[in-house]
Amino acid sequence: SQTIHQWPATLVQPVGSPLSLECTVEGTSNPNLYWYRQAAGRGLQLLFYSVGIGQISSEVPQNLSASRPQDRQFILSSKKLLLSDSGFYLCAWKGQSNTGELFFGEGSRLTVL
Amino acid sequence: AQSVSQHNHHVILSEAASLELGCNYSYGGTVNLFWYVQYPGQHLQLLLKYFSGDPLVKGIKGFEAEFIKSKFSFNLRKPSVQWSDTAEYFCAVTLDQTGANNLFFGTGTRLTVIP
Repeated sequence: SQTIHQWPATLVQPVGSPLSLECTVEGTSNPNLYWYRQAAGRGLQLLFYSVGIGQISSEVPQNLSASRPQDRQFILSSKKLLLSDSGFYLCAWKGQSNTGELFFGEGSRLTVL
Repeated sequence: AQSVSQHNHHVILSEAASLELGCNYSYGGTVNLFWYVQYPGQHLQLLLKYFSGDPLVKGIKGFEAEFIKSKFSFNLRKPSVQWSDTAEYFCAVTLDQTGANNLFFGTGTRLTVIP
């Protein structure tokens, strides 16, 4: 069966420090991968998606970047965090069956101080 | 641009009360519609989805939703809520059948069920 994991689960970082959140998917090949941010009262905002290795599309301009070095690995990064980067980050994958359903990871809560 | 609106931010109900959570989207083309639920401390999971066919779809745990194309709505309903339904509910829309098939979410509705 397919599984998705992201880490770390919780992160407290000072303003200006770098960030790296990692997401891996097992049990499926060539998934579409997504990074969402869930901010209080603002729902889920799509940040990045990837349809294949090295292919990254950004939905909103921001201080963050994403990379997909391997088929089942999706990384969310920042060189210098801002206070506004605080939030709950969710990684998700979608298979090739085109049912449209996304499967979400457990989430990573980032607090920037 | 497409958008998904959930007008109820926080709903508080007593057990056995009926539930209806509103969801409207703005897009004139073909859509696929979803309701996701996030129970406290758990990850987001699919509650139900509509692709085509019968506009009344049934999901897990007694939930159902009705797609009304003329109203651009996909409201979530449950005849009798339980304390365990306390969670945050997200409506979502995907606009195309191919490619990234990106899912756009509403802002969510927090449901609190009082025993």
